[in-house]
Amino acid sequence: EPEVTQTPSHQVTQMGQEVILRCVPISNHLYFYWYRQILGQKVEFLVSFYNNEISEKSEIFDDQFSVERPDGSNFTLKIRSTKLEDSAMYFCASRVDSSNEKLFFGSGTQLSVL
Amino acid sequence: GENVEQHPSTLSVQEGDSAVIKCTYSDSASNYFPWYKQELGKRPQLIIDIRSNVGEKKDQRIAVTLNKTAKHFSLHITETQPEDSAVYFCAPSVGDYKLSFGAGTTVTVRA
Repeated sequence: EPEVTQTPSHQVTQMGQEVILRCVPISNHLYFYWYRQILGQKVEFLVSFYNNEISEKSEIFDDQFSVERPDGSNFTLKIRSTKLEDSAMYFCASRVDSSNEKLFFGSGTQLSVL
Repeated sequence: GENVEQHPSTLSVQEGDSAVIKCTYSDSASNYFPWYKQELGKRPQLIIDIRSNVGEKKDQRIAVTLNKTAKHFSLHITETQPEDSAVYFCAPSVGDYKLSFGAGTTVTVRA
């Protein structure tokens, strides 16, 4: 069964550094999302992406965050200058099209900012 | 934005008993109601979902019931097994299917 894949599985960085989290959505999916989950808390929406542009973003997704689909397969989340509070598990998700609501999540990237 | 509440926050059941988790939401425009299961350190996995034009859906030991008037939907697990132990999240959504997750319910099935 096709899966959303994410790399790396763990990322450790120093505060103030830039990180890029990578995702390969399921190949025929058109809608892409990033969510995050701080340890022990609920999953929070960050951003949705469709047709090469952001369709919606949350208050968390400030100017330090950006997303990109640089080619036909990858979907990336960049954090320009990481803060301690950015430490969380980041999940990528994708959905096939507008007629199907099911979101499929990747296995996540655990980001630790020191 | 959508305000989502789940109850209870923790649930301990004896193997073979039933478990019920309730989710209330605030946005009357919500039209998609999924439940996700998350095991420790793993991704959320969709276990069952229901759309706003349906009142109940069942898949083997799992069922979801929806009350749109009261703005709540519930997850029912029958004949619980140890492998049902996990955190369960409701995640109602509106429009572009941006999921709004509840705080989660930790279910422990005692053998």
